[in-house]
Amino acid sequence: GQSLEQPSEVTAVEGAIVQINCTYQTSGFYGLSWYQQHDGGAPTFLSYNGLDGLEETGRFSSFLSRSDSYGYLLLQELQMKDSASYFCAPRDDKIIFGKGTRLHILP
Amino acid sequence: NAGVTQTPKFRVLKTGQSMTLLCAQDMNHEYMYWYRQDPGMGLRLIHYSVGEGTTAKGEVPDGYNVSRLKKQNFLLGLESAAPSQTSVYFCASSYFGYGGGSSSYNEQFFGPGTRLTVL
Repeated sequence: GQSLEQPSEVTAVEGAIVQINCTYQTSGFYGLSWYQQHDGGAPTFLSYNGLDGLEETGRFSSFLSRSDSYGYLLLQELQMKDSASYFCAPRDDKIIFGKGTRLHILP
Repeated sequence: NAGVTQTPKFRVLKTGQSMTLLCAQDMNHEYMYWYRQDPGMGLRLIHYSVGEGTTAKGEVPDGYNVSRLKKQNFLLGLESAAPSQTSVYFCASSYFGYGGGSSSYNEQFFGPGTRLTVL
């Protein structure tokens, strides 16, 4: 079967660093994507890990360990505009999303 | 370059009515997807297509049908709408996915969504 686990909510302070973990179990696997969704908006792509290791894109980094079926999204220098839901999404031919992690940022 | 567009943006149906949601993309993507999003449930995959003329079931396909007659269009049909189908529907498209490290081939582009209410 397929399963996807990430925390439902995370709270952090503006300017801090936060890590959102994701564990997955899928029948097939090409890589792991991360998406951001603001309230009322559509999901937007943040990063993709096709290989083990760390991918860095500005303030955001994403990590993948295929052997552990585990990944995380690291957000640095948090800004109020980062308040959103974050989804990890393992993909093969289909892309499955979980329930996402709601990130609350305190001033 | 419009990206992914969805028609209509809003719709209200009565139980038992039928309708078709249209998704169009102008990026020459092979893969297209339909998701529904309900409060607290994240995004759930309804159906997807890996190329023109092909469709496959996702996580929650019951009550929906799809067609991909042209590469750029992916239609989602509700034959007999039910209140449980009240949701926000998102269409998305992407290139063929593969196991390499390139983000550009694995980014999924989403449409703006269709808010459907079934009374």
